[in-house]
Amino acid sequence: KQEVTQIPAALSVPEGENLVLNCSFTDSAIYNLQWFRQDPGKGLTSLLLIQSSQREQTSGRLNASLDKSSGRSTLYIAASQPGDSATYLCAVLINQAGTALIFGKGTTLSVSS
Amino acid sequence: DTAVSQTPKYLVTQMGNDKSIKCEQNLGHDTMYWYKQDSKKFLKIMFSYNNKELIINETVPNRFSPKSPDKAHLNLHINSLELGDSAVYFCASSFEGVAKNIQYFGAGTRLSVL
Repeated sequence: KQEVTQIPAALSVPEGENLVLNCSFTDSAIYNLQWFRQDPGKGLTSLLLIQSSQREQTSGRLNASLDKSSGRSTLYIAASQPGDSATYLCAVLINQAGTALIFGKGTTLSVSS
Repeated sequence: DTAVSQTPKYLVTQMGNDKSIKCEQNLGHDTMYWYKQDSKKFLKIMFSYNNKELIINETVPNRFSPKSPDKAHLNLHINSLELGDSAVYFCASSFEGVAKNIQYFGAGTRLSVL
């Protein structure tokens, strides 16, 4: 059974720092891996999606990497800003056809100014 | 334009009542989902529908019954509500069979059972 773990559960950093969020999954037979952002009381916003054949994806200050064989992904946030404060969720899709995402419990990030 | 919209946003009700949550997507997607986020913020799939047919039905009490009148709608009806049903319920949609399969989420419905 696929399990997704995110470390750390919470992280506090001063503005401007670069940081890394970690995600691991137990079954490497994934179709893709997605990183989401959730703001308090809000829905989820997709940040980056990495196909199983890809190694990384970049969007602005965000870079996500995927090492499928070791069951790991990282989300790198450069030059963090207070507006980055949110919960970041990692999720894997284990096949393409109608299968839902398996989520980690998230990392809650707080960036202080 | 809201891509995935859920109503109501908040729902407070008594134990034993029956309630429904509605979800609509205007993205032309063929697959819709219901997820539950518990008090510990853990998101877990409940149901998945593709072209109005049930694809996934995780271990969910049969008091929960999804209904998909068409591809753009997936409603969730809950009978005999219990305290443990209190959670945030998220609807999502995506394309099946498309490489990227990005799921788009609604803003959630916060259900409180008293």
